[in-house]
Amino acid sequence: DAKTTQPTSMDCAEGRAANLPCNHSTISGNEYVYWYRQIHSQGPQYIIHGLKNNETNEMASLIITEDRKSSTLILPHATLRDTAVYYCIVPNDYKLSFGAGTTVTVRA
Amino acid sequence: EAQVTQNPRYLITVTGKKLTVTCSQNMNHEYMSWYRQDPGLGLRQIYYSMNVEVTDKGDVPEGYKVSRKEKRNFPLILESPSPNQTSLYFCASSFGGRGYEQYFGPGTRLTVT
Repeated sequence: DAKTTQPTSMDCAEGRAANLPCNHSTISGNEYVYWYRQIHSQGPQYIIHGLKNNETNEMASLIITEDRKSSTLILPHATLRDTAVYYCIVPNDYKLSFGAGTTVTVRA
Repeated sequence: EAQVTQNPRYLITVTGKKLTVTCSQNMNHEYMSWYRQDPGLGLRQIYYSMNVEVTDKGDVPEGYKVSRKEKRNFPLILESPSPNQTSLYFCASSFGGRGYEQYFGPGTRLTVT
C-alpha cells in the first residue's frame, strides 16, 4: 500500500488560499491520489482525485509533482465552512484507508 | 436528490440485543461499504460489497454481518452487540470499478451499554 503523510494541522485565513501538502513517496505508477474531507462528525466528502496531471473542479485544485511522490490540495478561497479534517488517500484493493488527515482551521 | 441514507441516526442499546442499521442509496451504485470511526483510530472499513450478493470483509469485520440482496440497500447487522462496538458508523456507495469516489451517509451513532 502506498502510505501518505500529512501535517497534523494547519490554520488558514478566511479568503486566502489554503495549500495542503501530502507525501506519498511509495506510490506506484497506476495509483491515483484521492482527497476527502470530513466536517465535524459528518460523513466524509469526496473532493478530487488525480493520477499525474493537475486537476481542478468546483471545490479545489490538485497539484501532483512530476515524480508523483507528493501532491498539494489547494482551496483557492477558504471560507469558515472549509474547516474540516482533510484526508489524502492512495487507495487500492477496493478500499479507502483514512489516516489521521490534516485538521484545517479557517480563521476569520 | 442523490443521497445515502442511514437509519437510525442515533441508537442506544444493551449488550447482546441484536440490531440492524439500514443503509440505502438512490444513485444506482454498484459498490457499497460500511465504516466505523473511533477517536484516535480514524475511519476503518468493516465490510464492502461490489454488487448484489457480493460482499467481502474489510479491516474490522468481527462482530458484524452484512447482506446485499438489493442494489440500493446494504444493512449492517450486529447479532450480539458489545460495548466495544460503540462507535460512529458510516455507510458509503460509489459507481462500479474500484469504488474510490464514494458518497457517504450522515452516520449512525451507536452506544452499547
